[in-house]
Amino acid sequence: NAGVMQNPRHLVRRRGQEARLRCSPMKGHSHVYWYRQLPEEGLKFMVYLQKENIIDESGMPKERFSAEFPKEGPSILRIQQVVRGDSAAYFCASSPPGTMGSYEQYFGPGTRLTVT
Amino acid sequence: GDSVTQMEGPVTLSEEAFLTINCTYTATGYPSLFWYVQYPGEGLQLLLKATKADDKGSNKGFEATYRKETTSFHLEKGSVQVSDSAVYFCALRTSGTYKYIFGTGTRLKVLA
Repeated sequence: NAGVMQNPRHLVRRRGQEARLRCSPMKGHSHVYWYRQLPEEGLKFMVYLQKENIIDESGMPKERFSAEFPKEGPSILRIQQVVRGDSAAYFCASSPPGTMGSYEQYFGPGTRLTVT
Repeated sequence: GDSVTQMEGPVTLSEEAFLTINCTYTATGYPSLFWYVQYPGEGLQLLLKATKADDKGSNKGFEATYRKETTSFHLEKGSVQVSDSAVYFCALRTSGTYKYIFGTGTRLKVLA
C-alpha cells in the first residue's frame, strides 16, 4: 500500500509566479490535511479537506492561497503570485474516513518550495 | 491555546551516548502525544506515540512516557547511532480534533 505521495518534491518559482502542489492520499483515505513548515519552525496546520469539501481553512493565509480536493484526482494546494516568504516545506497528510479527528494522519514526504 | 515546547538544538552526541530530548505541552483537553522524525531531505515519519497518561511509546530503541502530572513527553534512547541524526518533532493532537500541534523540532547530530 503506497503511502501519501506528493509532487513535485522540489519546486522553484520566481516571485509573482504560481505554485501548484499536489497530494495523493493513501489508498482508501478521503481526508487530506496541508501543513506548512517554515525554516527552523515546526509544522503549522493550514487546511483540512474531504472530497469536494473544505472543512477547515483557518490556517490558510487569506490571500493568494487556495486548496481543493476534487472527486477525482489529487488534492491541490495553489499559491498565486508567490513571494519569498512563501518559501517553505509543504506537507500533506491523509486519514481514512470516519469520525473526524479519531484517526491518525499519515504524512507525505513534502514539497520544498523555493521562491527566487 | 494548545502548544508544544521542545528543547532547542542542535544536540550533538557521540555514538553510544544517552539521548534525552525534552518536550512539554499545554492542552485544554486530553491529548495524544507523538514523536516524529525527519531525516535529511525526507518527510515526517511517526516514531512513537502515547494516547493516555502513563502510557509508554517505544520504537527502534526510543522511548517516551506520557506524564500528565508534569505535562511532559521526553524522548530517550540509551545508545544513539550515527543513523539517528535527524530532526525530532514532538506533537500533540487533542481528542476529537484533527489538528496536530507541533513543536519547533530538535536537530540531533551523532558523531562517530
